[in-house]
Amino acid sequence: LAKTTQPISMDSYEGQEVNITCSHNNIATNDYITWYQQFPSQGPRFIIQGYKTKVTNEVASLFIPADRKSSTLSLPRVSLSDTAVYYCLVEGSGNTGKLIFGQGTTLQVKP
Amino acid sequence: DTEVTQTPKHLVMGMTNKKSLKCEQHMGHRAMYWYKQKAKKPPELMFVYSYEKLSINESVPSRFSPECPNSSLLNLHLHALQPEDSALYLCASSREARSQDEQYFGPGTRLTVT
Repeated sequence: LAKTTQPISMDSYEGQEVNITCSHNNIATNDYITWYQQFPSQGPRFIIQGYKTKVTNEVASLFIPADRKSSTLSLPRVSLSDTAVYYCLVEGSGNTGKLIFGQGTTLQVKP
Repeated sequence: DTEVTQTPKHLVMGMTNKKSLKCEQHMGHRAMYWYKQKAKKPPELMFVYSYEKLSINESVPSRFSPECPNSSLLNLHLHALQPEDSALYLCASSREARSQDEQYFGPGTRLTVT
């Protein structure tokens, strides 16, 4: 399983766009990139997943360069309620269901 | 219904007690998981069940005993726990036991071992 590296913490202000970059230099050909969000005392929640280029949903965008050695989660116009821990996971398409969470990025959104 | 429910929300138990955590989902998912999360740390996988059979045990001590009575229910039986086992225990489910399948997490059970 590829290892990921993310910033430990980030600060932002309401209304700003936030970009969190994840490094995964050893990503394998069949690995997907998935981001989860976790609020205090709650379980993680799936945000977005991609394999290459760009993926967008109603919550976020995920940018993946051609070499796939990194990815960037983009949160448009954050609000206070986006304060959470964001985990980047790189997982293969094997039939295991095994997820390995890294340390994550604690995003603090200020008013 | 995209909800995973867990009971109880909080549990305090002594080291000689036996207790169980319960998890339920009605999304028709065939994979269910137990994770352990210590404060300020990421979730750590404990067990994976696929089609009601244990498929992954991440070298978890035998004082934790999982059980999957049917495709909607997952239990975690606890016996002779240690204070260092105090943590948030999270249950999750996914359509299949594939790493790229979205996992739906419950709110967790906050366990304190005294």
